[in-house]
This record gives sequence, structure tokens and C-alpha cells, in this order.
Amino acid sequence: AQSVTQLDSQVPVFEEAPVELRCNYSSSVSVYLFWYVQYPNQGLQLLLKYLSGSTLVESINGFEAEFNKSQTSFHLRKPSVHISDTAEYFCAVSDRVNAGKSTFGDGTTLTVKP
Amino acid sequence: ETGVTQTPRHLVMGMTNKKSLKCEQHLGHNAMYWYKQSAKKPLELMFVYSLEERVENNSVPSRFSPECPNSSHLFLHLHTLQPEDSALYLCASSQDSYSPLHFGNGTRLTVT
Repeated sequence: AQSVTQLDSQVPVFEEAPVELRCNYSSSVSVYLFWYVQYPNQGLQLLLKYLSGSTLVESINGFEAEFNKSQTSFHLRKPSVHISDTAEYFCAVSDRVNAGKSTFGDGTTLTVKP
Repeated sequence: ETGVTQTPRHLVMGMTNKKSLKCEQHLGHNAMYWYKQSAKKPLELMFVYSLEERVENNSVPSRFSPECPNSSHLFLHLHTLQPEDSALYLCASSQDSYSPLHFGNGTRLTVT
């Protein structure tokens, strides 16, 4: 069975500060890892993904995440946040055994204050 | 139009009503999903269709009935719902079972 734990339910930060949203996963097989973002009154949008290869993955809007197999983590980071980054962020895991059944974390609400 | 489109965006229904949620994807994907998102609860996978065949029914009550007439359309038929079924219902699609999900904006359902 696979599981995802997002360690922080709420993360308040000031604009232009760095941020890290933590995600740990559990799976007995090789995993695929994802971060999704959900803005108010919208569905989830893929932010970035790790399928294989380089352990550091980046998004087009400055977020990055690093797959750490030994620590079973996939933390999301951004060196300088904007007000527009305020949203809920979900970490998700899937694998070939549980294909089609991504497991999501409970979500982290990022609030960027001016 | 591109992406995943869900209608209606908002729905209020009584417990004795019958209604349907509609989802359409314009991405040429082979898999479609229904998720339920409730406040204070993790995202719950309800149903998975791959190539129009249902491959997952995640212990969902029979008052929810999915239908996938073709690879672009997915419906969720609702009848005799309970107030605790009030939630945001999200449709998603993916190229295959391992690929990232593309979500619609959801239908906000309120059962009175």
C-alpha cells in the first residue's frame, strides 16, 4: 500500500521569502511523485512531476522539488514567493502496481502575506 | 475548447432528486476519473475508467452511478443522496494510468 504525508497543513510566509512544503511518502515499489496546486474555486493543476531520471525537478513558475529515495521525501521549494502563489498544494504518489490510483496527501495551504 | 470541462459548476439538490454531473475531456486521453473533495478530508478516488472500461470502484455507495459512453465523456448519475455527500466533485483524465492527472474545475454539490 502507498501513502502520502504532508507534514504541514498551513504555511504562512511573507512575500519574497523562501518556502518549503514537506511531503513524505510510503511505497514498497518504485514510485512516481507529483505536486499539484489548487487555486480557489478551481480544480487541481499539475505543478511538477518525478517519473525517473534526475532527482531534481522544476516547474515553469520557479518551484522545484527533489526526490530523496533514502528519506522517502519529495519536498517542494521556492526561493522567493509571490502573493499569487497563495493556494493549496497537494503531494501525490502512484506506482505501476497501483496504476491509476494516485494517493494524495491532505494538502498544505500556502498563504503569502504582503 | 481545451482541457477538462465539467458541468454544472454548482448544483443544489434535494435528497429525493436525480441529477447527473457531466465531464468532457478534449485531450485525447485514455483514462478518466471521478474524485470527491470534502472539507477537512483528503481527496477520495471514486471511479476509474480506462479505455471506457471501469477498472476501479472504490467502495462507493450505489447512489452514485458512473457512466462512460466514450473516451471523451464521463457522467456521474446521482440519486437519493445524503447531506454528507455535499462536496466538490472533480473529474480528471490522463493519457494512461501512470501519467499525471488533468482536472476539471469541479462541480460544487450541495444536498439539502
